[in-house]
Amino acid sequence: DADVTQTPRNRITKTGKRIMLECSQTKGHDRMYWYRQDPGLGLRLIYYSFDVKDINKGEISDGYSVSRQAQAKFSLSLESAIPNQTALYFCATSDATGINYNEQFFGPGTRLTVL
Amino acid sequence: SQQGEEDPQALSIQEGENATMNCSYKTSINNLQWYRQNSGRGLVHLILIRSNEREKHSGRLRVTLDTSKKSSSLLITASRAADTASYFCATGLYGGATNKLIFGTGTLLAVQP
Repeated sequence: DADVTQTPRNRITKTGKRIMLECSQTKGHDRMYWYRQDPGLGLRLIYYSFDVKDINKGEISDGYSVSRQAQAKFSLSLESAIPNQTALYFCATSDATGINYNEQFFGPGTRLTVL
Repeated sequence: SQQGEEDPQALSIQEGENATMNCSYKTSINNLQWYRQNSGRGLVHLILIRSNEREKHSGRLRVTLDTSKKSSSLLITASRAADTASYFCATGLYGGATNKLIFGTGTLLAVQP
């Protein structure tokens, strides 16, 4: 089984709808992240969480919210989806300890299309 | 804003040739990492080099880091068709949330069989 899973893998929705993307991990990592990827722009950080009680905004948090329900689960919500939120969304995790503590492990991504 | 920029944006080579990708960044870093992404899939960590290191090897990968020039390069030797992917550099910053990474825009590598 994959260490970092995302659901759904693909989603098409309409403008104004509320959408939730879910991420689960079995790596036992404390730190979790949400990114979006747009063509030619690389990955941009939306939100990150260093433990269950810690939530931080990334560089493009407007229009998004998150919930860290447990160490293993980190959800991203779009309260009222708009077309320019069409993108590929990735969840990632990292460990706070160890020699390579900064390495991140990515889920397979969710392709979201907002019509 | 993006911290890292990769150069070139796209690279096409023949199998067996070496591929070199470069990354430039703007601020002081704790470490620099390279990731690989196959089309539409999640990123996979390749190698991490710390700010006090100048060169690192992993299999067919060689990474260099020049902190005075704020640049890094990734060399893939004896490339294979399976190396076709996008490659991203990501910088881990000093201070504050040092577990954050800032990604560059990527180099698309195509290895022709």
